[in-house]
Amino acid sequence: GQNIDQPTEMTATEGAIVQINCTYQTSGFNGLFWYQQHAGEAPTFLSYNVLDGLEEKGRFSSFLSRSKGYSYLLLKELQMKDSASYLCASSDSNYQLIWGAGTKLIIKP
Amino acid sequence: EAQVTQNPRYLITVTGKKLTVTCSQNMNHEYMSWYRQDPGLGLRQIYYSMNVEVTDKGDVPEGYKVSRKEKRNFPLILESPSPNQTSLYFCASSEGVEGYNEQFFGPGTRLTVL
Repeated sequence: GQNIDQPTEMTATEGAIVQINCTYQTSGFNGLFWYQQHAGEAPTFLSYNVLDGLEEKGRFSSFLSRSKGYSYLLLKELQMKDSASYLCASSDSNYQLIWGAGTKLIIKP
Repeated sequence: EAQVTQNPRYLITVTGKKLTVTCSQNMNHEYMSWYRQDPGLGLRQIYYSMNVEVTDKGDVPEGYKVSRKEKRNFPLILESPSPNQTSLYFCASSEGVEGYNEQFFGPGTRLTVL
C-alpha cells in the first residue's frame, strides 16, 4: 500500500537546528514535497525534491534519498515563527499526492 | 494579488441541508482540487479537475459533488451533509498536476454538520 510516515510532534529551541524526517512508500515516485502549515491557516509550499541530494533555500533545506524512500526537512536558526506543522507529501506514478499526517513543531524560547 | 479564495470560511449547518462551498483562483491555473483535513490524518483529496469540464474522484469522494464550468471556479457541493463531513476543507490550484507543481491553497472552510 501507499504510506507516508513522519513524527507527530517535535520540540526545539529558538536558534537551534531541527530535522524533520519523512519516509514514504508509494506506487511509483515522482518527487517529494514539503509544505508548512501554521495553525488555522492554509498549507504553503516549501520545497520539491525529485533527485537525490540536498537542496538549500535560505534557512530551510530538504534532502531526498530515493533508494531509501526517505526525506528530511532541515530548519536552521529556528525562529518562533517557525512553530507550525510540516507536511510531507509523495507524488506517485500518476502524479497524485499522498500526504503524511504532518509534524507539529513547537519552538521554545 | 495571486490567490485562491473560498467562501464561506465558517459554516454550521444541519444534517441533510444542501450546501455549496465556492472556490475561485485568479492565476489561470488548469488544475484544481478539494481536500479535507481531519486531526491526525493527512490531507485527503476529495475531487480534482485537470481542466474545464474535466473532473475526477480523489480518495474520499463519497457524499460530495463538484463542477468545473469555468477555469477559475471549482465549487464543492454537499447534497445531503452528514456529521461525518464535519471537517476543515481546502481548495487548491496549480499550473499542472499536483504531483509536479507547487499548489496554492485557499484559506480553508471550517464546516460543522449537526
